[in-house]
Amino acid sequence: DTAVSQTPKYLVTQMGNDKSIKCEQNLGHDTMYWYKQDSKKFLKIMFSYNNKELIINETVPNRFSPKSPDKAHLNLHINSLELGDSAVYFCASSRASGSDEQFFGPGTRLTVL
Amino acid sequence: GQNIDQPTEMTATEGAIVQINCTYQTSGFNGLFWYQQHAGEAPTFLSYNVLDGLEEKGRFSSFLSRSKGYSYLLLKELQMKDSASYLCAANTGRRALTFGSGTRLQVQP
Repeated sequence: DTAVSQTPKYLVTQMGNDKSIKCEQNLGHDTMYWYKQDSKKFLKIMFSYNNKELIINETVPNRFSPKSPDKAHLNLHINSLELGDSAVYFCASSRASGSDEQFFGPGTRLTVL
Repeated sequence: GQNIDQPTEMTATEGAIVQINCTYQTSGFNGLFWYQQHAGEAPTFLSYNVLDGLEEKGRFSSFLSRSKGYSYLLLKELQMKDSASYLCAANTGRRALTFGSGTRLQVQP
């Protein structure tokens, strides 16, 4: 009974490629997020979606685009991958309120060669 | 801007008590989260403080002083499984969290 799931868990790809990471939550939450955790373990917010509306975009390059087909899914598309995109990407979800606990997915380790 | 500071690494002995400090300077503040992250795993929720004071939850307690921009996580009766990174995160009121870089805690026998 996974609450927040992500696929794939590992992704190895060449520079310049386009890739997607999928995220699904079965908690009935209204808000979903994407975080990037770099090699120094800094966890940084990239996007959040609330009821299909983008409500935060933290100066992320426009090569990254979130897509939310419905409330339970928030996928991350990355175009023209660069070496610096190598990181672990975490999806998370919470109820609408910002004070609510966020539940994180298991992470996707992206390696760009 | 947003700035959250916590020590990079700490070491403690099994059975002991350890305090992990976190200071923050953020534009907008609604509360302070603590998350635990084991190596290679996702962060998991430990506590959330909105008001000043100490909140106790089993072996873990968390303290907040809003006037000082300061929080700490207190872990008692340390166990080997407590070896992990502990992430301090501020709720800045934009439905997302601003995380510190995390404190890696090593518990030794």
